[in-house]
Amino acid sequence: DAMVIQNPRYQVTQFGKPVTLSCSQTLNHNVMYWYQQKSSQAPKLLFHYYDKDFNNEADTPDNFQSRRPNTSFCFLDIRSPGLGDAAMYLCATSRDSVRLNYLSTDTQYFGPGTRLTVL
Amino acid sequence: AQKVTQAQTEISVVEKEDVTLDCVYETRDTTYYLFWYKQPPSGELVFLIRRNSFDEQNEISGRYSWNFQKSTSSFNFTITASQVVDSAVYFCALSEGDTGRRALTFGSGTRLQVQP
Repeated sequence: DAMVIQNPRYQVTQFGKPVTLSCSQTLNHNVMYWYQQKSSQAPKLLFHYYDKDFNNEADTPDNFQSRRPNTSFCFLDIRSPGLGDAAMYLCATSRDSVRLNYLSTDTQYFGPGTRLTVL
Repeated sequence: AQKVTQAQTEISVVEKEDVTLDCVYETRDTTYYLFWYKQPPSGELVFLIRRNSFDEQNEISGRYSWNFQKSTSSFNFTITASQVVDSAVYFCALSEGDTGRRALTFGSGTRLQVQP
């Protein structure tokens, strides 16, 4: 089955110790997203890749970086995790296309998430 | 700026009751997309439905139905004959088409508890 996979499902790191979360997809979608979801809150977009083009949200801290080495994989790097970065991190993908003069936004499909704990 | 409001923080019903989850949105775009996602305790966001702003037809899928009304900027979700497996947090979300901005703006979510 085509899907979005996130590894690991649970990650524990220490305060200030860099951590990398991984996302892969078999949907062949051209857009990949990273969302942060803190407890009892809605998901919040950190950034997304449209093909190889990186799009950062204005309020995403510099502590968060991303890499997309190919269509299938996308990584979230947290350079110096703080206690406030403990959250569920959700990866999503979509297939966007330009139709006529406007962007057609396809549905975002989410992975199972990685729950990050910072000690 | 776009906004999605889910005024019901938590709803508790008994199995087999019908329940409606409310969603009200704000946007300046003429082209936009509305979504409902389900988030069970496992954490994964499960896509339920997508509607674009030009399609006001209501939709029914099994026990689920959606009522989209542009006149009141609402996109409500009804579960008929609720079951314990419906217990989850449900998010309504909006993405705007005119600006090409792909970010989903989520409501704050409604936690549905279905008691046996």
